[in-house]
Amino acid sequence: QVQLVESGGGVVQTGRSLRLSCAASGFSFSNFAMHWVRQAPGKGLEWVAVIAYDGSTQYYADSVKGRFYISRDNSKNTLYLQMNSLRPDDMAVYYCVKSQQRPVAGKSFDFWGQGTLVPVSS
Amino acid sequence: DIQMTQSPSSLSVFVGDRVTITCRASQGISDYLAWFQQKPGKAPKSLIYDASRLQSGVPSKFSGSGFGTEFTLTIISLQPEDVGTYYCQQYDSYPLTFGGGTKVEIK
Repeated sequence: QVQLVESGGGVVQTGRSLRLSCAASGFSFSNFAMHWVRQAPGKGLEWVAVIAYDGSTQYYADSVKGRFYISRDNSKNTLYLQMNSLRPDDMAVYYCVKSQQRPVAGKSFDFWGQGTLVPVSS
Repeated sequence: DIQMTQSPSSLSVFVGDRVTITCRASQGISDYLAWFQQKPGKAPKSLIYDASRLQSGVPSKFSGSGFGTEFTLTIISLQPEDVGTYYCQQYDSYPLTFGGGTKVEIK
């Protein structure tokens, strides 16, 4: 069955960097676009970034553009999110989410990871 | 950016009641609309995509409808295990955007 396991979360100070990982299994990772979605404590869902199945295309939310970078290693079935210049409002649970198909456009999500918490201290 | 507005923001119903949640898009999104369920303390779960198609394994008590700017999620015969927050999301264009959520509770 599909499994998405995030790791790398933990307390980080404002202005510092952190890299999240998402280990995927149970499906052909290299054939699907992948997303990161976050949820601040007690708040709603916010889409963060997407990467094409082959890593050729990425899109970002304005709130993270220029600070966060999404990447993938299809040989390791792993998705990454490099987060730089972290701010207090980046504090959230970060979810790794699988797209339904290859294209980055016009396709919904199907599976979510359990999430990893990133507390940002000032 | 496309704004997604859900209503109501919360509702309290009896077990067995029918629940209807509305989601409006600030511009037409065809049928590029998904619904997600998030139970307390858990990760979200995908319920519906393309406005009305059920994800694999989702019970038929959930249904979706709509096109363009107005969409509806219906849950027939609400049960205690359906308690949680429901979100709509458009994937017509980037950035992808979610509605603010509808919290469903049992009276």
